[in-house]
Order: sequence, then C-alpha cells, then structure tokens
Amino acid sequence: DAGVTQSPTHLIKTRGQQVTLRCSPKSGHDTVSWYQQALGQGPQFIFQYYEEEERQRGNFPDRFSGHQFPNYSSELNVNALLLGDSALYLCASSGTGGDIYGYTFGSGTRLTVV
Amino acid sequence: GNSVTQMEGPVTLSEEAFLTINCTYTATGYPSLFWYVQYPGEGLQLLLKATKADDKGSNKGFEATYRKETTSFHLEKGSVQVSDSAVYFCALRRSSGNTGKLIFGQGTTLQVKP
Repeated sequence: DAGVTQSPTHLIKTRGQQVTLRCSPKSGHDTVSWYQQALGQGPQFIFQYYEEEERQRGNFPDRFSGHQFPNYSSELNVNALLLGDSALYLCASSGTGGDIYGYTFGSGTRLTVV
Repeated sequence: GNSVTQMEGPVTLSEEAFLTINCTYTATGYPSLFWYVQYPGEGLQLLLKATKADDKGSNKGFEATYRKETTSFHLEKGSVQVSDSAVYFCALRRSSGNTGKLIFGQGTTLQVKP
C-alpha cells in the first residue's frame, strides 16, 4: 500500500519565480494538508484541502495557493518566490475512515530559492 | 493561542540510557497530543498519540502520558538505541476527527552514541 508520494524531491528556483509541488495521498485518504518546515524548525501549517476546496488556512500570504483534484491528489503553488521560502514542504493525508487521528506524511520536497 | 514547547536539544545519550524529552502545551479545550519522529532526509512518522487526559500512548518502547493538570506530554524510553537517533516533534490538534491542523513544537534532536 503506497503511502503519501511527493514530487519532486528536490528543487532549486530563482527568487521571483513560481513553483508547483505535487502530492498523491495515501490510498483511501481524501484530505490533504500542506506544511512548511524551515531548517531547524517544526512544520508550520499552510492549508488543508477536502472535496477540492480549501477548508483551513494557516498564516501564509496569498502567494501560497493550492488545488485538489477529483482523485484527491493536490498541488501547492508558490508565486514570486522569496529566499525565505526555502524549506522542506511536507504533504500529509488523512481519511474519514479508519484511524481518524492519524495523518500520514510524505517525505517532502526540499525547495531552495537562490 | 495554541502552542507547543519542547526542551531544547540536542540531547546526547549513550546506548541503553533512559530518555526523557519534555513537552508542554497551551490550548483551550481538550486537544489530542502526538509525538512524531523525523529521521535524516525523511518526512514525519507518527510515533504515538493520546486523545484524552490520563491516556498513555506507547509504541516501540516509547511512552507518553497526557497530563492535563500540568499540560504536559513528556516522551520517555527506558533504554535508547543508536537507531533512535532522530528529531522528535511534539504536536497538538484541537479539533476532533481529520479537520484540525497540527501545531508542532520546534523539535528536539536526539543523538545516541554506541
């Protein structure tokens, strides 16, 4: 049973560019959350998608946007990249059945902005 | 607001030593509490959880008890191994089910020496 899959694993972008990160949730999961983890810090919640809509949002600017597709996969888009956007971006999926208190995390996408 | 505070690391122990990583939280109501572990270059893995006061979560020799009177959820292990070397994150979630975002502490690095 595949877990959460994120792509790409590493990415280098130039300041001002735009980036799209992708996430496929664990089989049977319908909810996707995105987190930003700066070096040496705990993950910070960006937003959560359910039924193709943004259900919750953390304290991140509008440069951060997302999308969820009918197959429950999700994208995170960041516009006008800043050096401070360099971080590990984690996707977590969860489902409405089974262990409702468990999130499954992917291995993340390491974004470096130069 | 809601927050999680962990003891600062790194924590360096010899193999078979006793481990305690302190975690305290601030939250209204009755949050669910979690410990996640992050091995080098990987995403987060759920280590254990507790959903109500006095619950004890346990997994792989690790334990933590939900103490509402002291708002704490300290992680313990009786005998650590080199393979336990990782970063440990304490986290809380306010909402029940799958809708709530996770709020993480800053993480504590554990280094176990042979």
